[in-house]
Amino acid sequence: EVQLVESGGGLVQPGGSLRLSCAASGFTVSSNYMSWVRQAPGKGLEWVSVIYSGGITKYAESVKGRFTISRDISEDTLYLQMNSLRAEDTAVYYCAGEKWFREAGYYYFYMDVWGKGTTVIVSS
Amino acid sequence: EIVLTQSPGTLSLSPGERATLSCRASQSVSSNSLAWYQQKSGQAPRLLIYGASNRATGIPDRISGRGSGTDFTLTISRLEPEDFGVYYCQQYGSSPRFTFGPGTKVDIK
Repeated sequence: EVQLVESGGGLVQPGGSLRLSCAASGFTVSSNYMSWVRQAPGKGLEWVSVIYSGGITKYAESVKGRFTISRDISEDTLYLQMNSLRAEDTAVYYCAGEKWFREAGYYYFYMDVWGKGTTVIVSS
Repeated sequence: EIVLTQSPGTLSLSPGERATLSCRASQSVSSNSLAWYQQKSGQAPRLLIYGASNRATGIPDRISGRGSGTDFTLTISRLEPEDFGVYYCQQYGSSPRFTFGPGTKVDIK
């Protein structure tokens, strides 16, 4: 069974740092495109970051320069290093594995596997 | 940046009724880039539809998607108790990589 399990969330003061982890089983992190998605309390979903299977990383403008996505191939684990945290970063953070299909020469991605999420609260 | 709008905000229906959810993009998008997710309270989202009309693994055929250009629809032909929750449409693009709509809540009437 494919499973993603996030950890590392907690309460942190504004300006602080936190590192989230996403451990995979039945699924190879390094062979897939992996994203982080967050959901502020009572709000909708917001894509945060992706790491391609080839290692390229992309970020939402709201976190660029503050967050870093990475992975450990030996541990089959995805990470999100979050620095300079702000109150507006308070959210449940989900890791998600992407799938793709190709049509007419273009690739299209969607999120197929999701973890249960870990909660980050930024508050003094 | 493409903006997705979903309507209605809330849909109050009874089990057995038909649900029709709308997702509108601020500009034309490829239907291949449109997906739908269901989220129940306290749970992670679950993929329902990708490529506008392709059901994900294990999704029953009472759930269907269609659309093109700027207008997309998710239809649940006969609501079951497990269908209640919040539904999000999502568009895959270049920057940002994914954009989500604000969601439609389907609750029990």
